[in-house]
Amino acid sequence: LAKTTQPISMDSYEGQEVNITCSHNNIATNDYITWYQQFPSQGPRFIIQGYKTKVTNEVASLFIPADRKSSTLSLPRVSLSDTAVYYCLVGSTFDNYGQNFVFGPGTRLSVLP
Amino acid sequence: DTAVSQTPKYLVTQMGNDKSIKCEQNLGHDTMYWYKQDSKKFLKIMFSYNNKELIINETVPNRFSPKSPDKAHLNLHINSLELGDSAVYFCASSPKPLTSGTRGNEQFFGPGTRLTVL
Repeated sequence: LAKTTQPISMDSYEGQEVNITCSHNNIATNDYITWYQQFPSQGPRFIIQGYKTKVTNEVASLFIPADRKSSTLSLPRVSLSDTAVYYCLVGSTFDNYGQNFVFGPGTRLSVLP
Repeated sequence: DTAVSQTPKYLVTQMGNDKSIKCEQNLGHDTMYWYKQDSKKFLKIMFSYNNKELIINETVPNRFSPKSPDKAHLNLHINSLELGDSAVYFCASSPKPLTSGTRGNEQFFGPGTRLTVL
């Protein structure tokens, strides 16, 4: 599983666009980039997945440059209810033995009124 | 119409006791998982089952034993509970094993079970 690096925390105000960037320098050719959202006291929830260029759904957009060594999750016009931890995962397959499949600490987004 | 459900939501128990957490998914997925989220908020996979067969078994003490009576259920039994077992345990499912790729293979997580060992 490719190692990812994200900011530990971010603050924003309601109505602003928030961009969270994830670095994944050793992404493999077959790897897809997946983002999850976790609210306090809940399990993670899938937000969006992409391979290259741009993907958009009703919740977010995902921008992936040509070299795919990073990706940016874009949340348009955030509200207080978007306060959560956002995880970036990169991987296609992983070794069953001896390798933990771990969600890193993610990015804790705090949306302020 | 809950997709992945877990019971109980909270579990408080004494050291040395044995307890079980149940998980059910109604998504028709082939693969189910147990994760542990510790105080630092890292989510680590513990086990994964595909069609009732164990396919991932990370470095977890033998006191933890998963049981999958059918592909819609994956229960977690913990013997001789220790203080360090206190955490939130999440069950999850996906259409196919993560070992076969993540494209369109997102995981659906349950609400979690907060286990407190006193």
